[in-house]
Amino acid sequence: KQEVTQIPAALSVPEGENLVLNCSFTDSAIYNLQWFRQDPGKGLTSLLLIQSSQREQTSGRLNASLDKSSGRSTLYIAASQPGDSATYLCAAEGNTPLVFGKGTRLSVIA
Amino acid sequence: EPEVTQTPSHQVTQMGQEVILRCVPISNHLYFYWYRQILGQKVEFLVSFYNNEISEKSEIFDDQFSVERPDGSNFTLKIRSTKLEDSAMYFCASKDNLNTEAFFGQGTRLTVV
Repeated sequence: KQEVTQIPAALSVPEGENLVLNCSFTDSAIYNLQWFRQDPGKGLTSLLLIQSSQREQTSGRLNASLDKSSGRSTLYIAASQPGDSATYLCAAEGNTPLVFGKGTRLSVIA
Repeated sequence: EPEVTQTPSHQVTQMGQEVILRCVPISNHLYFYWYRQILGQKVEFLVSFYNNEISEKSEIFDDQFSVERPDGSNFTLKIRSTKLEDSAMYFCASKDNLNTEAFFGQGTRLTVV
């Protein structure tokens, strides 16, 4: 059964700092790894999808990497801004639909 | 930009009542999903739907739950007799292909009292 873990559970950084969020999954037989952003009480906004044949994806200040063999993905956020404050979720999809981690709650302090 | 739309945004219901949560997936998508998130917990898969039938369901999706695509645009989740523990945020999602990006709606917050 797929299990997804995200470390750290919470992170507070000053504005402008670069940061890395970590995601690990137990079953490496995945098709996709998707990163989402969730604002308090709101829905899930898709940030990046990495397919199993890819190593990384970039969108603006975000870069996500995938290492299937080690069961890890990272989300790199460059030059963080207060507007980046949210919970970031990763989710792995393989033989079962998306399995989510509990998320990393990010606070960017101005 | 196309988006998944869910209604209502918030529903309060009495225990034992039936509720129907509604979703309009992105128009050319073929795969539809319901997930839920109990406050403070992980987002959990409930059910997937493809080609007018359930393709997969979780242990949570028991006989109290049902899904339907009554027309070409709507996708509904029905809870037949709500319990207190059904209180959660329910998310609908859709995809155009199995290996592509899933798009989620803004959710329906269900409160059972």
